[in-house]
Amino acid sequence: EDKVVQSPLSLVVHEGDTVTLNCSYEVTNFRSLLWYKQEKKAPTFLFMLTSSGIEKKSGRLSSILDKKELFSILNITATQTGDSAVYLCAVDPNAGGTSYGKLTFGQGTILTVHP
Amino acid sequence: DAGITQSPRHKVTETGTPVTLRCHQTENHRYMYWYRQDPGHGLRLIHYSYGVKDTDKGEVSDGYSVSRSKTEDFLLTLESATSSQTSVYFCAISRDSLALFFGEGSRLTVL
Repeated sequence: EDKVVQSPLSLVVHEGDTVTLNCSYEVTNFRSLLWYKQEKKAPTFLFMLTSSGIEKKSGRLSSILDKKELFSILNITATQTGDSAVYLCAVDPNAGGTSYGKLTFGQGTILTVHP
Repeated sequence: DAGITQSPRHKVTETGTPVTLRCHQTENHRYMYWYRQDPGHGLRLIHYSYGVKDTDKGEVSDGYSVSRSKTEDFLLTLESATSSQTSVYFCAISRDSLALFFGEGSRLTVL
């Protein structure tokens, strides 16, 4: 059974801090790993990683994948109160055929940023 | 905004009644998905579709059926709702990048 584990489950920081969120996975096959941010409503897409060691970056957010050790990290620098959200990690297994997008999600990390 | 509309956004119903949730997309994507989100379980795949009339089961498909008669619409039906189906339901589409983009969610409460 495919499994995605995120840590920590929750995190409280102050504005300006840097945070690192972790995601480890065990899957039979691997196509990609995705990060999402969820505030009050729908998860919004942040990054998709398919290759080891290549950092994806968007503003203060960055992510990297290690396919050998089966984990990914999401870094947020100079945090702001608007970064408060649940961050979800998901893995897309490569089952072939028409099996696209059958993501396995972790439980998420609840990030709270205080002013 | 991923061009996805879910309806209804909120619904309260009683055990044993049928419920249909609708997902409508405006972007002509082939792949569509229904996920449910529950505390402690994250998001779990219920059913997905890879084309008109082409659907398949996900991880938690028991008690649910789906239909896709047009590219733009993907319906999720609970034939006889149970309290364990109280959840937030998200529809998603897959764009060329293969990343999923989600609708705003439908909150269903089964009393």
